[in-house]
Amino acid sequence: GNSVTQMEGPVTLSEEAFLTINCTYTATGYPSLFWYVQYPGEGLQLLLKATKADDKGSNKGFEATYRKETTSFHLEKGSVQVSDSAVYFCALTNTNAGKSTFGDGTTLTVKP
Amino acid sequence: DGGITQSPKYLFRKEGQNVTLSCEQNLNHDAMYWYRQDPGQGLRLIYYSQIVNDFQKGDIAEGYSVSREKKESFPLTVTSAQKNPTAFYLCASSIEGTSYNEQFFGPGTRLTVL
Repeated sequence: GNSVTQMEGPVTLSEEAFLTINCTYTATGYPSLFWYVQYPGEGLQLLLKATKADDKGSNKGFEATYRKETTSFHLEKGSVQVSDSAVYFCALTNTNAGKSTFGDGTTLTVKP
Repeated sequence: DGGITQSPKYLFRKEGQNVTLSCEQNLNHDAMYWYRQDPGQGLRLIYYSQIVNDFQKGDIAEGYSVSREKKESFPLTVTSAQKNPTAFYLCASSIEGTSYNEQFFGPGTRLTVL
């Protein structure tokens, strides 16, 4: 079956530090990969996505590259801000029903 | 503005009672989903629907039921058969049920069983 493994948290960084959150996956076929962000007490919002190997998704300074050879989709940001504090979920979808498999989430706290 | 609404935001129920969570979308999306989120865990799929009048069980459907009588609406009933219903419930939709499309989420309903 499908599975997504995320780097365990919580992660605490100082403002302007470099961020990496690791994500690896197991899936058959050619999944699409997503990063979602969840702020306290809210639903998830799409952060970025990539639908085929070697694609790079990017948004709001965040980036992730779909690496089929290492089955990974690591999230990076060069300089984090306090407002980036949230829970980040890696997810994949590879069925016609559009069902997604989510990682357990990584909590990021950025301190001023 | 288009989006997904869930109501109520907080819900309390006594053991042995059924309760229905509302989910409405005005995005004209075909596919809709219900997830359960427990602290420190990812999202687990309860039910999903790709089209009106059709739905399928997800990974943890026991103790839950749904209906999809209208494209915009996908209510979830938590029955008394659900052994541990206290959780945060998220509804989502996507343009269509394919692997390429992201899901749009509602703000969630936090259910507490007293």
